Amino acid sequence: QKEVEQNSGPLSVPEGAIASLNCTYSDRGSQSFFWYRQYSGKSPELIMFIYSNGDKEDGRFTAQLNKASQYVSLLIRDSQPSDSATYLCAVRKDSSYKLIFGSGTRLLVRP
Amino acid sequence: DTAVSQTPKYLVTQMGNDKSIKCEQNLGHDTMYWYKQDSKKFLKIMFSYNNKELIINETVPNRFSPKSPDKAHLNLHINSLELGDSAVYFCASSQGTGWAYEQYFGPGTRLTVT
Repeated sequence: QKEVEQNSGPLSVPEGAIASLNCTYSDRGSQSFFWYRQYSGKSPELIMFIYSNGDKEDGRFTAQLNKASQYVSLLIRDSQPSDSATYLCAVRKDSSYKLIFGSGTRLLVRP
Repeated sequence: DTAVSQTPKYLVTQMGNDKSIKCEQNLGHDTMYWYKQDSKKFLKIMFSYNNKELIINETVPNRFSPKSPDKAHLNLHINSLELGDSAVYFCASSQGTGWAYEQYFGPGTRLTVT
């Protein structure tokens, strides 16, 4: 079992819709959870991170964390074609300096 | 510009050669990292230094050797390059090692071994 799992996609949504990206992790000791966006040929850039159960909102983005279910998601409201990218989920254990990345979900927003 | 920079951006070389990739950050961060991203976009940590001390050393062939001459620089030297080393190598930095610190990534070095 991979430590961090994501559906590779592509997830295709129409412009203006809500895109829902999901991530599950295997280690219950994981403490903090990050969502990175990576455009083709570019480096990952942080969208947001979350460490408490519940929702965290930042503009059009909402991260949701459920530690009991070992599940973290990213919602993108009012999706734009410019949101088309690969979204990487990353998880960090309190005892470790490492970020463990999932293999990413490719999002396509259709105009 | 404050950033993480890497050189070279592209590196094409033959099997068996030795090559280096350089990374510099001017963000004043204490911690730097090397990641490898393979053709399936899987991003995996290789090494990390905190204040010039090696703190993460993943299961990586010993042909790969990181060097941190100071807090702002982290270089990666690769000996006897193999076809499987072809990937994009990203350098990153963070303010510290705490779990909430964001990692900032450099632009990447695309290494192609022929």
